Amino acid sequence: GAVVSQHPSRVICKSGTSVKIECRSLDFQATTMFWYRQFPKKSLMLMATSNEGSKATYEQGVEKDKFLINHASLTLSTLTVTSAHPEDSSFYICSALTDRVVYSGYTFGSGTRLTVV
Amino acid sequence: GENVEQHPSTLSVQEGDSAVIKCTYSDSASNYFPWYKQELGKRPQLIIDIRSNVGEKKDQRIAVTLNKTAKHFSLHITETQPEDSAVYFCAASMRNQGGKLIFGQGTELSVKP
Repeated sequence: GAVVSQHPSRVICKSGTSVKIECRSLDFQATTMFWYRQFPKKSLMLMATSNEGSKATYEQGVEKDKFLINHASLTLSTLTVTSAHPEDSSFYICSALTDRVVYSGYTFGSGTRLTVV
Repeated sequence: GENVEQHPSTLSVQEGDSAVIKCTYSDSASNYFPWYKQELGKRPQLIIDIRSNVGEKKDQRIAVTLNKTAKHFSLHITETQPEDSAVYFCAASMRNQGGKLIFGQGTELSVKP
């Protein structure tokens, strides 16, 4: 089946630095990737939608300059948290849309636990 | 945009009992409704899904029902077991927005032996 590899699984960074999270589709072409963040005991909140070769579409309230999304190839989408602060600490997870005919079928990465100190 | 409401937020049942989790959605264009089980710190795991042209789907102890008119769908787990304890999320996919998947708030299910 479809597999999305997400790295790193855990990262600790200092305030003010940037962190890049990668999601790679291993055996299929991920034209569309969704990025979510999840706080402890909370739901997955959609941050943005990225389509290969296009600018990402951000959800209301998500700072596009802080959360930079790049989807330059059909197998790689990246999320860069710029100038990270402790409030950016969260669980980030990507999801690739695998069925674009009827828009069903999503493959999730394993998630990245970001801690900003 | 789409809004998915999920209830209850916590649910405790005795082993062997049934558990029901309900969700409502706001956008009539949503056409795909998956249910996920998530362990702490792990990726969501698809347990069952239903498309908008189907009213009910069953897979062993798990079933999902969809009422498009009322815009609500429900997860039914029968003969619950302790290993069913987890957080469950409903979601709705918006075909008219490129397949955007919006999640409900989650239900923490606890099955007591």
